Amino acid sequence: GESVGLHLPTLSVQEGDNSIINCAYSNSASDYFIWYKQESGKGPQFIIDIRSNMDKRQGQRVTVLLNKTVKHLSLQIAATQPGDSAVYFCAEKRRMVTGGGNKLTFGTGTQLKVEL
Amino acid sequence: DGGITQSPKYLFRKEGQNVTLSCEQNLNHDAMYWYRQDPGQGLRLIYYSQIVNDFQKGDIAEGYSVSREKKESFPLTVTSAQKNPTAFYLCASSIETDTQYFGPGTRLTVL
Repeated sequence: GESVGLHLPTLSVQEGDNSIINCAYSNSASDYFIWYKQESGKGPQFIIDIRSNMDKRQGQRVTVLLNKTVKHLSLQIAATQPGDSAVYFCAEKRRMVTGGGNKLTFGTGTQLKVEL
Repeated sequence: DGGITQSPKYLFRKEGQNVTLSCEQNLNHDAMYWYRQDPGQGLRLIYYSQIVNDFQKGDIAEGYSVSREKKESFPLTVTSAQKNPTAFYLCASSIETDTQYFGPGTRLTVL
């Protein structure tokens, strides 16, 4: 899950297993959520998104689940591969109060390590 | 080949110097953003721009400045007033209500 501070939570999984990465968000007014994957030294890469009127969305090998009651988001990766090793961030999107536009608020991320 | 480019990839600055980080996109996106990332932390918003010739402060704008003279370009200047500028800087762009797509980042180090 998400945490505050410099120490990233780490999830270690065996190659071929399923991974579940969790995220708690803070604002019940957030209407759009995104998962990003960030490899070391690179920019975040979009994985999958979900709107607040949905509770589940599936992509290729990934599923995002949204539980608005407890403000919880999860990313499930099926048949985890070595190339999935990275830091995964959830982000919640809200309209900015001033200036217009949308603001993404990021969690601190979870380090996924895939063991061979 | 469409996308967002940032340059340089690595940048070294002496204390007291201003430096400018480049961000260019050919995605025809109206909105552009600058974030700062520190080790083990999430991204924090510095500045954003919804349209050409307009920009707004984000959560940590102090010590930074931007311009948006062209739709494709959103340069960020890190001024000498920024007390702790060493970080990984990320630029993003989006269609107004859509997902933000990120560039490869610039790592700035103060010597």
